[in-house]
Amino acid sequence: DIQLTQSPSFLSASVGDRVTITCRASQGISSYLAWYQQKPGKAPKLLIYAASTLQSGVPSRFSGSGSGTEFTLTISSLQPEDFATYYCQQLNSYPFTFGPGTKVDIK
Amino acid sequence: QVQLVQSGAEVKKPGASVKVSCKVSGYTLTELSMHWVRQAPGKGLEWMGGFDPEDGETIYAQKFQGRVTMTEDTSTDTAYMELSSLRSEDTAVYYCATLSGGVGWFDPWGQGTLVTVSS
Repeated sequence: DIQLTQSPSFLSASVGDRVTITCRASQGISSYLAWYQQKPGKAPKLLIYAASTLQSGVPSRFSGSGSGTEFTLTISSLQPEDFATYYCQQLNSYPFTFGPGTKVDIK
Repeated sequence: QVQLVQSGAEVKKPGASVKVSCKVSGYTLTELSMHWVRQAPGKGLEWMGGFDPEDGETIYAQKFQGRVTMTEDTSTDTAYMELSSLRSEDTAVYYCATLSGGVGWFDPWGQGTLVTVSS
């Protein structure tokens, strides 16, 4: 199984900050990586797919990059509604695994 | 636009089974590849299984093999996930989600169904 790690696991930031979250895969997954945002009590929401493609309707302050084993999610200017937990997911091979999550909290 | 609406919360005793439904609207179920993900309280997301559009088979995570069955009723465009031999560790929110873009991403997701296993 492909394992995903995320760093950091917790991030405290202020509105307007640039935030970067890293997701590393235990083996190469090409660009078969998606990023989701989840708020308490809600279903995950797709932000980025194919490592760098922004889902329709998602603000352009979100961006993704990477391929192979290392990927990043960047929020260029953190907004109040961005405080949430972020998960990466690999869809290169079954079982489709998720990273453990990164919680972004208000400083 | 695809919308997924799941059945309501369930409380089950250890050893029992639960069957969660996911009603599709906007598309027919045969056009979609449905997957199931669960999330224990305060924990991360865990993929349970789903329909592989490339092989035309349902694939289950090894952890749930023998205990989970995912089925579809195309006459009502409803997908089901049944989990048997429930234990307290199965207490979680269960989500259905559509695998889109071939093998690309999960979107949309159902609203989630809380299953509580307690004696």
